[in-house]
This record gives sequence, C-alpha cells and structure tokens, in this order.
Amino acid sequence: NAGVMQNPRHLVRRRGQEARLRCSPMKGHSHVYWYRQLPEEGLKFMVYLQKENIIDESGMPKERFSAEFPKEGPSILRIQQVVRGDSAAYFCASSPISSYNEQFFGPGTRLTVL
Amino acid sequence: RKEVEQDPGPFNVPEGATVAFNCTYSNSASQSFFWYRQDCRKEPKLLMSVYSSGNEDGRFTAQLNRASQYISLLIRDSKLSDSATYLCGSLRSQGNLIFGKGTKLSVKP
Repeated sequence: NAGVMQNPRHLVRRRGQEARLRCSPMKGHSHVYWYRQLPEEGLKFMVYLQKENIIDESGMPKERFSAEFPKEGPSILRIQQVVRGDSAAYFCASSPISSYNEQFFGPGTRLTVL
Repeated sequence: RKEVEQDPGPFNVPEGATVAFNCTYSNSASQSFFWYRQDCRKEPKLLMSVYSSGNEDGRFTAQLNRASQYISLLIRDSKLSDSATYLCGSLRSQGNLIFGKGTKLSVKP
C-alpha cells in the first residue's frame, strides 16, 4: 500500500512565476490536508479538502493561493506569482473516511523562490 | 497564548536514558492528540495517537491530562536513532491538526 505521494519533491521558481504542487493520498483515503513548514518553524495548516470540496481553508493566504481535489487525479496546491517568502516545505497529509483518524504525511515538496 | 505549545529543547540525553516531553494545549474541546517524529528535512511520521488517558507502544508512552490540558511523551531506554524533533498535534473539530513547534531530542553515545 503506497503512502502519500507528492511531486515534485523539489521545485525552483523565480519571483512572479506559478508553482503547482501535487498530492496523491494513500489508497482508501478521501481526506487531504496541506501544511506549510517554514525554516525553523512548526507545521502550519493551510487547507482541508475532500473530493471536489474544500472543507476548511482558514489557513490559506487570502491571495495567490488556491487548492483543489478533483474527482479524478491528485490534489493540487497552486501558488500564483510566487514571492521569496513562499519558500518553504509544503506537506500533504491524508486520512481515511473519518476525519478523526490519524493523518499520514507525504514526503513534501520543497519550494525555493529565487 | 498559542493553541499548542512545546518546549523547543534541545534535550541532550545519553543512550539508555529516560526522557519526557510535555505539550500544553489551550482548546479544552480538543479530543484527539498525536505525537509525530520528524527527522531533519523529512516528513513527520506518526508515532502515537492519544484519544483517552494514554497509550503505550514499546519504549514509548503517551499520557493525556485533561484537567491540566497537557499531553506527555515518555521515551525509555533512549536509542541513538530516537534523535529527532517530536511534534505534538491537537486535532481541531474542523478536522485539521494544530502543531506545536516541536521538541528537539539528541541522544548521545
């Protein structure tokens, strides 16, 4: 049973470009969560999605950031017009049907904005 | 006051020692808590879930004190491989986790 998969593992973008981060949850998991970890900081919740629904986006910055989890395919975290402050590790986690189950994390995408 | 707080450490202990970390939380409605370990530049890995008073798994014991609103993690007979950052997470009613900044443990030979 493959774990949570994320790609790319490393992404370099210049200021103003777009970044697209992908996450495929564990088999049988229908809940996806995105977290961001800045250097020397803790994990910060960004958004919680189920298939075709955003459940909670209270941690998402108001501008430039969006997320989706379509009926088919991986969840996408999209950052438009990236700035240096977006440089961080972005982790995706998934959990089974009940949102009160444990969350399992993917290996993360390390975004570097030049 | 932050929703979840941890002593950042570092905790430097010799092999074989027993070490304990505490994590305090401010939301009295929280029902579920989790300990994760995170190695440098890696993803958090689930170590233990704490739903009621406590949980034990081998050398690791987690306890929940609702009256004082803290959870603890006890590691017995520390191994070099236990060196990592330990993250405490509190599950919100919305379904997402709120994490502390982590406690760094370094086990020395």
